[in-house]
Amino acid sequence: AQSVTQLDSQVPVFEEAPVELRCNYSSSVSVYLFWYVQYPNQGLQLLLKYLSGSTLVESINGFEAEFNKSQTSFHLRKPSVHISDTAEYFCAVSAPTGGFKTIFGAGTRLFVKA
Amino acid sequence: KAGVTQTPRYLIKTRGQQVTLSCSPISGHRSVSWYQQTPGQGLQFLFEYFSETQRNKGNFPGRFSGRQFSNSRSEMNVSTLELGDSALYLCASSLNRETEAFFGQGTRLTVV
Repeated sequence: AQSVTQLDSQVPVFEEAPVELRCNYSSSVSVYLFWYVQYPNQGLQLLLKYLSGSTLVESINGFEAEFNKSQTSFHLRKPSVHISDTAEYFCAVSAPTGGFKTIFGAGTRLFVKA
Repeated sequence: KAGVTQTPRYLIKTRGQQVTLSCSPISGHRSVSWYQQTPGQGLQFLFEYFSETQRNKGNFPGRFSGRQFSNSRSEMNVSTLELGDSALYLCASSLNRETEAFFGQGTRLTVV
């Protein structure tokens, strides 16, 4: 069975500083990996995904994540954050052996301070 | 293209009652999944439907049930509500199993 661990429940950071949100997964087979963002009182929005191919994936708003198979990680990074990036971020994994059931991590609350 | 629509957005029910939540997926999407989100437990998978068949089920009691109609719209039902059922219930749809899920805004259920 797959599982996801987000190592930080909260990450406070100053505006324009870089940030890394950590995600590790557990699976014995190939997986698909996702990062979702949730703004207050909203559903989840897909930020970026890794299905296959290049291990570095990017979103349109400056976030990127790198799939590292040896370390079973899929950390999310942004070189310079904005106040508007304040939200909760969820890492998720799905795999064929799990019937592609998407399993979410506990979430990391990113708080960007002025 | 319309997104995933969940109704109602907010709901207050009394312990012991039952409730039905509705989800209309993105047009053309055949897979619908339901999640329960609470501060303590995070996002927990309830079940997934594809072409009117339940394909996956999470670890929830039998009070939680769902179904999917021929137009891919889905409903979930919770019977004999408990205080602990208070949560944000999220529905997500996807084209198929291997593509990303698109989420609705959720239904916030409060049980009093």
